Amino acid sequence: GAGVSQTPSNKVTEKGKYVELRCDPISGHTALYWYRQSLGQGPEFLIYFQGTGAADDSGLPNDRFFAVRPEGSVSTLKIQRTERGDSAVYLCASSLETRGTQYFGPGTRLLVL
Amino acid sequence: AQKVTQAQTEISVVEKEDVTLDCVYETRDTTYYLFWYKQPPSGELVFLIRRNSFDEQNEISGRYSWNFQKSTSSFNFTITASQVVDSAVYFCALTQTSGSRLTFGEGTQLTVNP
Repeated sequence: GAGVSQTPSNKVTEKGKYVELRCDPISGHTALYWYRQSLGQGPEFLIYFQGTGAADDSGLPNDRFFAVRPEGSVSTLKIQRTERGDSAVYLCASSLETRGTQYFGPGTRLLVL
Repeated sequence: AQKVTQAQTEISVVEKEDVTLDCVYETRDTTYYLFWYKQPPSGELVFLIRRNSFDEQNEISGRYSWNFQKSTSSFNFTITASQVVDSAVYFCALTQTSGSRLTFGEGTQLTVNP
């Protein structure tokens, strides 16, 4: 079956712009996670959805970051007023249920100039 | 708070050598899950194994084996007869049963030379 997909694969934007990153989880997976990975480091948790609601958003670095999952499937991570420090690979994962094994997508590489 | 430490930043071996990647974790929970993921140059994290804290049996899957030692809070990963295709960054991760977020270590870059 299809795995987790993320679009775009690469995004280049200018400082101050708004970006949206999309994640399409594995069909039937109720839990969806966003992580951010900086060069040479392990992924860091951002937010987790169970169904349509954000069950844990404590990893979002500040209020410029927001994520939605309106129908309990596809999720969009939104970053306002991007800063150069936001440059990283944004990873999405999904699991069949809460605390299940997380399967990751290929990531979106964001570069803020 | 929970923490995962992978002290080996980079390891380089010659093909067919055995190699062990170390992972030490910290958690206050008595019930938790441990994971290993592989990240090849393509960048996608590939799930390798998940281990429940109550199950201390070692596991073997082909050339891969895992040694879980609760007494030393370690979950080490051994690749037997390494191959060039094993070259990747390997991450150890931890999640508590009370939550869902994965806490990752910094990763170990494994290079297998022909």
